[in-house]
Amino acid sequence: AQSVTQLDSQVPVFEEAPVELRCNYSSSVSVYLFWYVQYPNQGLQLLLKYLSGSTLVKGINGFEAEFNKSQTSFHLRKPSVHISDTAEYFCAVSLYGGATNKLIFGTGTLLAVQP
Amino acid sequence: GAGVSQSPRYKVAKRGQDVALRCDPISGHVSLFWYQQALGQGPEFLTYFQNEAQLDKSGLPSDRFFAERPEGSVSTLKIQRTQQEDSAVYLCASSLAGSEAFFGQGTRLTVV
Repeated sequence: AQSVTQLDSQVPVFEEAPVELRCNYSSSVSVYLFWYVQYPNQGLQLLLKYLSGSTLVKGINGFEAEFNKSQTSFHLRKPSVHISDTAEYFCAVSLYGGATNKLIFGTGTLLAVQP
Repeated sequence: GAGVSQSPRYKVAKRGQDVALRCDPISGHVSLFWYQQALGQGPEFLTYFQNEAQLDKSGLPSDRFFAERPEGSVSTLKIQRTQQEDSAVYLCASSLAGSEAFFGQGTRLTVV
């Protein structure tokens, strides 16, 4: 079975500072990896995804993530955050070649950007 | 439509009442998913449709939960005899086969 661990439930950071949100996964088979953002009372929006190829993936809003197979990690980074980045961030996996492409999510990390 | 539309946005149900939650996927999207998101948690998979066929319902928590997509477009998630533990946000997502899933804003169900 696959699982996703987001160790930090909340990450406070000052505006214009860099941030890293951690994600580790467990799977005995290859997976696709995703980061989603959820603003209050909204659905989920895809930030970026890793399917194959380059391990450094760039997404929307200046975010990027690096796939590290040996450490089974897919940490999300941004060099300079804005107040508007305040939201809940979810890491997710889906099975490579899976029949349904259903997503398995972590418990989320609240990014709280302070002025 | 432009995105995935869910209705109602908010639903308050008395314990024991039946509820029906609606999802209008993006036009032409073959795949449709339902997820349940409890307070402070990540979304959890409930069920998956490919067109009108329900190919995976392994995440439905009990036989009180039922989903359908009779014409391969609009889907309804029905919960019978609601209980307090059913209180959550129910998210619908749709996608073209094998591509990015687009999520609706969700329906927040509160069982009192």
